[in-house]
Amino acid sequence: AQTVTQSQPEMSVQEAETVTLSCTYDTSESDYYLFWYKQPPSRQMILVIRQEAYKQQNATENRFSVNFQKAAKSFSLKISDSQLGDAAMYFCAYRSARGAQKLVFGQGTRLTINP
Amino acid sequence: DADVTQTPRNRITKTGKRIMLECSQTKGHDRMYWYRQDPGLGLRLIYYSFDVKDINKGEISDGYSVSRQAQAKFSLSLESAIPNQTALYFCATSDSYRRGQDTDTQYFGPGTRLTVL
Repeated sequence: AQTVTQSQPEMSVQEAETVTLSCTYDTSESDYYLFWYKQPPSRQMILVIRQEAYKQQNATENRFSVNFQKAAKSFSLKISDSQLGDAAMYFCAYRSARGAQKLVFGQGTRLTINP
Repeated sequence: DADVTQTPRNRITKTGKRIMLECSQTKGHDRMYWYRQDPGLGLRLIYYSFDVKDINKGEISDGYSVSRQAQAKFSLSLESAIPNQTALYFCATSDSYRRGQDTDTQYFGPGTRLTVL
């Protein structure tokens, strides 16, 4: 079974600085997808970024980018120019390219932005 | 209007009561999911459904049942609620998977906070 691990329960960063959230996963599959979801205090789960494992190029979405290391099974999220609105819980998630499409989530990292 | 809605948003109930949480979606997706979120554990899958006639257990289905009344509706029931079912419950939807198209993403409802006393 696949597992996802986020080893940083909490992180903090100064506004306008850059922060990187870590995620590692374990799988025997070669074809899969990885996601970062954001959960602000409103508790809504919001998709931040997605990465297809068969693509070598790292995904980017405005100030958000990932460092996908397939061999190392690592998928970190970098947030540039941090803003107060980035404060939230961040979840890393894995999904197989086959089967049920169910998401396997990490434990989450709580990100605080210091003004 | 939200694409994925959940009712109620908050619910407090007592041990032994039957509870139903409802999920509706207007995205036209055929796949629907129920997850549970506990502090420090992330989200875990309870049940999922590929269509009205296809329902499957997730990793933590004990104590729960589901009903897919229509393509757009997927409800979760707790037949006899117990305190350790106190959690945040999310419904999610996705489209049938087709490689090369943006169908691999799950979209979440706003969540239902359930407290069992």
